Amino acid sequence: KAGVTQTPRYLIKTRGQQVTLSCSPISGHRSVSWYQQTPGQGLQFLFEYFSETQRNKGNFPGRFSGRQFSNSRSEMNVSTLELGDSALYLCASSLAGQNGEPQHFGDGTRLSIL
Amino acid sequence: SQQGEEDPQALSIQEGENATMNCSYKTSINNLQWYRQNSGRGLVHLILIRSNEREKHSGRLRVTLDTSKKSSSLLITASRAADTASYFCAVNDYKLSFGAGTTVTVRA
Repeated sequence: KAGVTQTPRYLIKTRGQQVTLSCSPISGHRSVSWYQQTPGQGLQFLFEYFSETQRNKGNFPGRFSGRQFSNSRSEMNVSTLELGDSALYLCASSLAGQNGEPQHFGDGTRLSIL
Repeated sequence: SQQGEEDPQALSIQEGENATMNCSYKTSINNLQWYRQNSGRGLVHLILIRSNEREKHSGRLRVTLDTSKKSSSLLITASRAADTASYFCAVNDYKLSFGAGTTVTVRA
């Protein structure tokens, strides 16, 4: 079974631009969560999608948004990029996103803002 | 926040030695999970322990949970160079809340 696939692996953008990251979950998994990882703040939850609906959201500004398609693939978008958005963005999938389900992570997209 | 907090922040050991790291959390939990992250990669789920369990084993990994002290520990026995990674505990409410992690370096 293929794992969680995130594309692209690396991305360089400049301030003010916008970016879209993609995540393909494990086949059959319907819950997709996104995390931001930085050296200073660690791993922070962005949002979770289940059956094309955002089910939970972390404390990030509205510049961070996402969506999920009918095949469970998910995208996240960051608009008006700031230097502080430089981070590793991780996507994780699970069958239903229930408490206690292991999350399966992709290798992330490394986003660098110049 | 129920965020897990790992201790120590970093650990350096010789190959073959055991590595122990601890995790503390703040409120009641249903379960606690441990993950490993190799440099530049995603997190890999290692083990889940439920609140009614005290100890769990998986290969060279041993996890304990003390709900009265709101703490858990992860023991890696007979460490190998491939165990070099960051280790995170995570607790669940509607999302996984991770601590800052313990960076383990296994020297050959």
